[in-house]
This record gives sequence, C-alpha cells and structure tokens, in this order.
Amino acid sequence: GENVEQHPSTLSVQEGDSAVIKCTYSDSASNYFPWYKQELGKRPQLIIDIRSNVGEKKDQRIAVTLNKTAKHFSLHITETQPEDSAVYFCAASRGSNYQLIWGAGTKLIIKP
Amino acid sequence: GAGVSQSPRYKVAKRGQDVALRCDPISGHVSLFWYQQALGQGPEFLTYFQNEAQLDKSGLPSDRFFAERPEGSVSTLKIQRTQQEDSAVYLCASGSPGPGTQYFGPGTRLTVL
Repeated sequence: GENVEQHPSTLSVQEGDSAVIKCTYSDSASNYFPWYKQELGKRPQLIIDIRSNVGEKKDQRIAVTLNKTAKHFSLHITETQPEDSAVYFCAASRGSNYQLIWGAGTKLIIKP
Repeated sequence: GAGVSQSPRYKVAKRGQDVALRCDPISGHVSLFWYQQALGQGPEFLTYFQNEAQLDKSGLPSDRFFAERPEGSVSTLKIQRTQQEDSAVYLCASGSPGPGTQYFGPGTRLTVL
C-alpha cells in the first residue's frame, strides 16, 4: 500500500528565515497532495494542496513543489512568523474516493 | 458556511463502556472519512463513506468499531467495550466532489480509564 515519509521530524528556524519540509510517497497512482497545519489541540487545517498535473503552486508565503518522477513533494514557507509554529503534515491520495495517507508530521518551531 | 462539526468534543469512558461519536459533515459533501489520531502522531484512516455506502472499512482496528451513515449525511462511529488503547482523538472529515480535498472537524478526544 501507499507509504508517505516526511522529513525532518522537527525543524527550528529563525523568524524571517525560510522553512522547507519534504515528503516522499510510494504509490505512483497518487494524484493529490495536500499539506495540513495542526496547532496543539486543534483540527488539521488545509493550507495548500497540489494535484499531479501541476509542478508548483504558490499562495503568498507558502509554496508546494511536486516531482512526480521522483515521487516527492515539498512545502516551502518564506519569511516565517511566530504564528507559523505548529505541526505540519503532508498527505497523498488517489483522489476523492480514497483515504489520505499521512506523513508522520514535522514540528516547526519559529525562534524569535 | 458551517464547517464539519463533531460531538461530543471530549468523552471519558470507563473500560468496557460503549461510546458513540457523532459527525456532521459540510452540507452537500458526498465523502465522509473517519480517522484516529494518537498523541504526537498523524491521523490514521479508519473508514470511508460515499453517501450512505461504507466503501472502505479496512482501517477499523477491530470488530468493536462500527460506523454508519444511514441517510448519507450525519455519521456515527461506535466503539463497543472500550479499551485503554482506544484513547485518542477521533477526527471526521468530509470531502467535496473532485480531486480529494478533505475538511476536518474539531475531533472528539476519547479517554478510556
């Protein structure tokens, strides 16, 4: 079955610097790749997603890149702010009728 | 519009007790998923509905877990004879038609004593 690996497990960056989180997946049929942000005790919140027919997508300070050949996708956060501190999860699925397969999460710490 | 809601938000059960967790999806969403999230880990898939049909229940950990969505909207996850290892946050997500975006409810934190 599908397996999603996520690195690093913890990432500490200085406020204002960039943060990059990387994920790899195993199922070549996966075609949808969302990123969720989860603050302590809160629900996962979708922050950006990308579909397999697109290589890159950007939304203000957040961008996601996808390399289907290598089966990896990455989250890029620029100009990090204290409110970016949270756990970030990547996920992959085959589409709307399929479950999300989740990475293990990255705890992002923004140092003031 | 209203997002996904879940009730109760917190549930404490004695070992052996039965519990029922409710999910109200976003109106019009056909897909509904249940996930289990242990502390410090990512969500793990339990089961999936398309309208009232339960199309995948491969993630349910044992036959003590049962889910239903009889009218294709509200869903209930029932856990019989709860065990301590059932303690987790149970997340419900509903999905819009299309490529697979899922929106999550706030979760029910179940603690089994």
